[in-house]
Amino acid sequence: QSALTQPASVSGSPGQSITISCTGTSNDVGAYNYVSWYQQHPDKVPKLMIYDVIKRPSGVSDRFSGSKSGNTASLTISGLQAEDEADYYCTSYTSSSTWVFGGGTKLTVL
Amino acid sequence: EVQLLESGGGLVQPGGSLRLSCAASGFTFSNYAMTWVRQAPGKGLEWVSALSGSGATTYYGDSVRGRFTISRDNSKNTLYLQMNSLRAEDTAVYYCAKCLTSGTGIDYWGQGTLVTVSS
Repeated sequence: QSALTQPASVSGSPGQSITISCTGTSNDVGAYNYVSWYQQHPDKVPKLMIYDVIKRPSGVSDRFSGSKSGNTASLTISGLQAEDEADYYCTSYTSSSTWVFGGGTKLTVL
Repeated sequence: EVQLLESGGGLVQPGGSLRLSCAASGFTFSNYAMTWVRQAPGKGLEWVSALSGSGATTYYGDSVRGRFTISRDNSKNTLYLQMNSLRAEDTAVYYCAKCLTSGTGIDYWGQGTLVTVSS
C-alpha cells in the first residue's frame, strides 16, 4: 500500500484561503468516501478535522472544508489564522480493508 | 470524557518483542473499532493495525503483517499490540486511537508511547 500523495508544504497569509491536495488511486481515495483529515501541531496529538470527505466534527471551525474529485481529495482552509499553522495528514480506507495515510503537508502562515 | 492511555513502550533490541497496552475509558469500549497508528521521529503518520469492536476481525498494514498482533479485552477496556521480530524501522511513537462509530476514521487519540528498537 503506497502512501497517498500530499504536497510537502503550503503557505498563505492570514485571511487567505489555501487548499491541500491528497492524491490516491482508484483503490483508495477514488473508491470510497472515507477520506479523513488530521491536524497535528508540533509535539501534539493529531486532531480530526474532516471525515467521510466532507463532514466536520463538532467543535471544528467551519473554515475547514473537504471535497473530492476522482482520486484526489482536498482540504480547504479559509480565513487563514496563525493557529492553523501545523502539519496536515489525509487518510483513506482502501480496497484491501486497510488504511493509508498521506505523507503530510506542513502549512505555514506567513 | 474519552481517555486513551498507552503503556509498554521502551527500548528493545532488534529481533525482540514488546507488548503495548491501551487503557480506554469514557465510552462503551466494546462498541467501537480501535486502531494503532505510529509516527517515526520527525516523520509522518503510518497506520499499523485495526480491530473490530468484538475483536473478531483484524486488519494489518503491509509493514507489520505477520509480526504484530492486535487484540482487545473488552472486559478490561484494554487494547493490545503484540510486536515481535522488531526492526530498527519500527522505532516510533505508537498511538492508540478510537474509531468513529462508522469506523471510517479516528476521532480520539492517546498521547502515544515511544518504542525504540536499537542495539
